[in-house]
Parts: sequence; structure tokens; C-alpha cells
Amino acid sequence: AQKITQTQPGMFVQEKEAVTLDCTYDTSDPSYGLFWYKQPSSGEMIFLIYQGSYDQQNATEGRYSLNFQKARKSANLVISASQLGDSAMYFCAMRVVISGGYNKLIFGAGTRLAVHP
Amino acid sequence: NAGVTQTPKFRILKIGQSMTLQCAQDMNHNYMYWYRQDPGMGLKLIYYSVGAGITDKGEVPNGYNVSRSTTEDFPLRLELAAPSQTSVYFCASRTDRVSEKLLFGSGTQLSVL
Repeated sequence: AQKITQTQPGMFVQEKEAVTLDCTYDTSDPSYGLFWYKQPSSGEMIFLIYQGSYDQQNATEGRYSLNFQKARKSANLVISASQLGDSAMYFCAMRVVISGGYNKLIFGAGTRLAVHP
Repeated sequence: NAGVTQTPKFRILKIGQSMTLQCAQDMNHNYMYWYRQDPGMGLKLIYYSVGAGITDKGEVPNGYNVSRSTTEDFPLRLELAAPSQTSVYFCASRTDRVSEKLLFGSGTQLSVL
């Protein structure tokens, strides 16, 4: 079954430190994509980073990087130099192929990150 | 401004009432989705559409209906609202490119009392 698992319901980090949010996935499809979204307390969903299953290098977007370990089926998000504004809910998602060759995103349960001054 | 527009932002319904959540995008995206997010949980797919006239069920379609008569609009209909439908509803869209991220609307907070 296709599934995304985020095992950390909550994490906290000191401002300016790095933090890793865990994500493991399960799929038998050779082609898939992995996404991270941020949801601040205001509720909107903000795209952070994308990693394709055939990408050779780990994706990076500013302070965000995705630690992609294909053999372990993990796609952890690393936030460097945490800021107070990083406090939010973070969702890992996977693009999966469905009937007719179309695709959809499935989401993990999320990790709530609190950044302390 | 280009983006995904959802209305209303908030709504309270009585049990058994019906309503339509509106979603529109002006980016000519073929893919559109409706998700619901229950408190403290991730997003679950209700329905999706891959183009005008084409819709299909997601993980939790019971109690909902959709239509896609145009590329721009993808309304979600709740018939006979139940307390279990209390949730935040997100509409999203994207292009056909496989790497393309979903763009989300700002959400509709619905309470059924």
C-alpha cells in the first residue's frame, strides 16, 4: 500500500540550530515524487521542496534540504539555522500514480515544530 | 492575482443542511483536488479532477459530490451535512507536469452542529 509516515508528532528546536523532520514512505512504483509543505497557524499550505525518485542529488531550497535515502525509503526535511517563523506544522507528501495514469498526492499526519528563542 | 480562490472562508451548518464550497483557479491547470483536514491530522483526498468533465473519487468521498464543467471551477457539494464533516477543506490545483507542486487555496473552515 502507498503510505507516508511521519513518526514525530512534535519537535522543538532552539533558534539558529538545525532540525530534521522525519518522513518515510512506501510505494512499489519506480516513479514517484516527494514534497514537503509548511502549514503555519494561519492555516495556509506553503510548498517548501520537491524531490523526484530519479533525482540523483538531494533537493535544496534556501534553508531547506531534503535528505533522500531511496534504499531506506526516507525523505527527511532538514531546516538549517531555524528561525522563530519556522514554527508550524510540516507535512510530507508523496505523488502516486492512480488509475488511468493520473496521479495524486497523499499526505502524512504531520509534525508540529516549535522554535524556541 | 493568479492562484486558487476558495469561498467561503468559514461556514456553520446545521445537521442535514446542504452547501457548496466554491473553488476557482485562473492558471489553466487541468488537475484540481479537494482535501479535508481534520483537527491535528494530515490531508485526506475527497475528490479530484484531471480536466473539465473528468472527476473521480479519492480516499473519503462519502457525503460529497463534485462537478467540473469548466477548467477554472471545481465546486464541492455537501448533501445532508453531518457532524463528521466538520473539518477544514482545501482546494488545490497544479499543472500536468509530474514535478509540479500543488497550489492550495486558503481553506474553508466548516462546522456542522
